[in-house]
Amino acid sequence: GEDVEQSLFLSVREGDSSVINCTYTDSSSTYLYWYKQEPGAGLQLLTYIFSNMDMKQDQRLTVLLNKKDKHLSLRIADTQTGDSAIYFCAESLRSSASKIIFGSGTRLSIRP
Amino acid sequence: NAGVMQNPRHLVRRRGQEARLRCSPMKGHSHVYWYRQLPEEGLKFMVYLQKENIIDESGMPKERFSAEFPKEGPSILRIQQVVRGDSAAYFCASSPDSDQPQHFGDGTRLSIL
Repeated sequence: GEDVEQSLFLSVREGDSSVINCTYTDSSSTYLYWYKQEPGAGLQLLTYIFSNMDMKQDQRLTVLLNKKDKHLSLRIADTQTGDSAIYFCAESLRSSASKIIFGSGTRLSIRP
Repeated sequence: NAGVMQNPRHLVRRRGQEARLRCSPMKGHSHVYWYRQLPEEGLKFMVYLQKENIIDESGMPKERFSAEFPKEGPSILRIQQVVRGDSAAYFCASSPDSDQPQHFGDGTRLSIL
């Protein structure tokens, strides 16, 4: 089946690293995505990884993909108050490249 | 290069009225997708269109909802005889091809009185 799961909340101290985790069930995914949504706003595509990659780094963001365990993570280094948002993990499937399956989102809050 | 443009940003309708939501894809993108986000939930796929054609409408409710993407002009998501349960944020995304990442607009927040 198609399912993407992630924890609902994460709280980190400003300056620390944030790690948001996600698991998915469909092994035929093509791309795996991380989107950021700030209150009242749309979704910003943060980064994505092709399913044949293990890792992708882009400035403060590091994405790790473990295909065997169907586990995806997003690490945000030196977390800032502007990183407060909901982060959605998502996948697109080889069988239906048209639609993206989203998780319910992880709300990241930053403590001073 | 403008992103995906959706309008209106907010739309209020009374039960039984019609809602029309518009989406202009990014320049050079001919693939459009509509998603619905209920409060405190993730986005759920509704429909995928490519100029003048509906490719996948597996997420679209069978009644009252329709979508089009004409040769000229924006894509339209139309909801007839709206009910309270239609209150949600509706997001449009576009891509240059079906196997390329989708870029999202800021959404239309629909409220039903």
